[in-house]
Amino acid sequence: GESVGLHLPTLSVQEGDNSIINCAYSNSASDYFIWYKQESGKGPQFIIDIRSNMDKRQGQRVTVLLNKTVKHLSLQIAATQPGDSAVYFCAETGNAGNMLTFGGGTRLMVKP
Amino acid sequence: ETGVTQSPTHLIKTRGQQVTLRCSSQSGHNTVSWYQQALGQGPQFIFQYYREEENGRGNFPPRFSGLQFPNYSSELNVNALELDDSALYLCASSLETGAQTQYFGPGTRLLVL
Repeated sequence: GESVGLHLPTLSVQEGDNSIINCAYSNSASDYFIWYKQESGKGPQFIIDIRSNMDKRQGQRVTVLLNKTVKHLSLQIAATQPGDSAVYFCAETGNAGNMLTFGGGTRLMVKP
Repeated sequence: ETGVTQSPTHLIKTRGQQVTLRCSSQSGHNTVSWYQQALGQGPQFIFQYYREEENGRGNFPPRFSGLQFPNYSSELNVNALELDDSALYLCASSLETGAQTQYFGPGTRLLVL
């Protein structure tokens, strides 16, 4: 079936640097995308979302970019902090809109 | 915190047994979705309940069943447990069905021996 995937399983960055986590999706009918952060032993935490009629959305220290032409999604975290260390998942809604399809996740490690 | 609560937090069962997991949705949310997350993987959609009816199902066998109650809380039942059912079971609530943000609870960690 169609799925969402990630390019890098592990990303290690220096504290204070910017982080970029990438995601490729295959369902061209997807119209809603979400980034989640999951810390060890916890459920996924909503970070930011974007709809398919947008190509960029900004939050507090985070930006999501959507390129529908190449079916690519990215999460940018500015001034990465130790508390940002976690696994990050992108997810998308398919045609039915009622289920989220998740990728395998990228582990972000922040070095002090 | 999302306001989504799940119980129990941890559970140990033996193969062949049955288990019931519970979820209380965020206030005002009428839609509850259940996901299974195996260790080191992303969550996999099991099913969704909207206004007490099943509203979509993933690739899970019928021994995975659910309920939603008038207060929008929900249960996930798994019969005839198998070793591969060991996972983190996540509940997520959303304001409505469709392309809406889903907010996750902390999960129930199930271990089947």
